[in-house]
Amino acid sequence: DTEVTQTPKHLVMGMTNKKSLKCEQHMGHRAMYWYKQKAKKPPELMFVYSYEKLSINESVPSRFSPECPNSSLLNLHLHALQPEDSALYLCASSQGRGSTYEQYFGPGTRLTVT
Amino acid sequence: GENVEQHPSTLSVQEGDSAVIKCTYSDSASNYFPWYKQELGKGPQLIIDIRSNVGEKKDQRIAVTLNKTAKHFSLHITETQPEDSAVYFCAAPSSASKIIFGSGTRLSIRP
Repeated sequence: DTEVTQTPKHLVMGMTNKKSLKCEQHMGHRAMYWYKQKAKKPPELMFVYSYEKLSINESVPSRFSPECPNSSLLNLHLHALQPEDSALYLCASSQGRGSTYEQYFGPGTRLTVT
Repeated sequence: GENVEQHPSTLSVQEGDSAVIKCTYSDSASNYFPWYKQELGKGPQLIIDIRSNVGEKKDQRIAVTLNKTAKHFSLHITETQPEDSAVYFCAAPSSASKIIFGSGTRLSIRP
């Protein structure tokens, strides 16, 4: 089973709202990732959690706050977003540390900020 | 850091023909090269990958070749079918825990 699940599938939020994106995997993977993808562009890395600790933050604005409650779950808390933050947010997981492990992606959350 | 260039940006082939997508990378230490397929409204799906200790890998109609000297790798799809229509991304490691994606190739299969 190489499935990564994400909820919700779609989200519309105002600039003053607080919302959360959720990601779950049951492959025993110990690295989890958040990516942002704009239309017709490749995914851009936002955060990496390795063994439940934040290991990479790609200078993401503080209005995006990641959380890894346990090895299977990854959240992305959203607050005071801007319209330009509208995008497809992808979660991925891989076996462990290192970039040579296969990354498996979820279907994404389509976020619209109004 | 690593830089990955991907060509072409769009590719249209007749059903049944072959399609080839090429990528170049900059870091000679890179040792893992995955290819992802992204269909409309879905997340990227890992379809094949290759490590630097081999020059070619095949999986049914899909193959990837790697030329370490020239620092380029290619995706080959033979006997293309309508379901092969998608955006394809190559990638290479940038550092520990990071991969960098190419700009993507939109492949269309003409009936």
